[in-house]
Amino acid sequence: DTGVSQDPRHKITKRGQNVTFRCDPISEHNRLYWYRQTLGQGPEFLTYFQNEAQLEKSRLLSDRFSAERPKGSFSTLEIQRTEQGDSAMYLCASGDRRQYFGPGTRLTVT
Amino acid sequence: AQSVTQLDSQVPVFEEAPVELRCNYSSSVSVYLFWYVQYPNQGLQLLLKYLSGSTLVKGINGFEAEFNKSQTSFHLRKPSVHISDTAEYFCAVRNQAGTALIFGKGTTLSVSS
Repeated sequence: DTGVSQDPRHKITKRGQNVTFRCDPISEHNRLYWYRQTLGQGPEFLTYFQNEAQLEKSRLLSDRFSAERPKGSFSTLEIQRTEQGDSAMYLCASGDRRQYFGPGTRLTVT
Repeated sequence: AQSVTQLDSQVPVFEEAPVELRCNYSSSVSVYLFWYVQYPNQGLQLLLKYLSGSTLVKGINGFEAEFNKSQTSFHLRKPSVHISDTAEYFCAVRNQAGTALIFGKGTTLSVSS
């Protein structure tokens, strides 16, 4: 069990650019989740995968956001045409009755 | 809709003092409740969880929590805190579909000597 890993840990981008984050879950976990955490707030659910199927999306996930999990292994979260309001920590988690969280990717949009 | 309210945004305490971090939830269905800790620039680490059974749940690092259905509370306690317990603590409830966690806004525990 090597834990959930996320890459990159930090990303600074200019407004309007596209960014992509990667999450590698714990290998035997079928369920994978993405959350967003802004300063001073708790994490907010974005989306959920069961294997390769994206089964639930939050209304927070605007059409500029897209997530994939090809082959049910790693997942990517892409944000197109980034805005300053997208600045946040993006957390990935995997697991069933218990969710194991990765260290997060901190995005800063300038 | 389910929700979680953490009643204190900041809790300052002295080392070796007891502490209680308060959490109330709203849910119309069976609840699964969690406490997570987040150290600066790190992800979330599970302290303890309530899924069923005994209402007193013991977790890591000497923390425990009590599920109180009548008061819809799940307060976190530790009898004697250490400087190293300084962190952000989040209470969470699993959503009705069982697909996501709904978090409170967090409580900052600051332990000083």
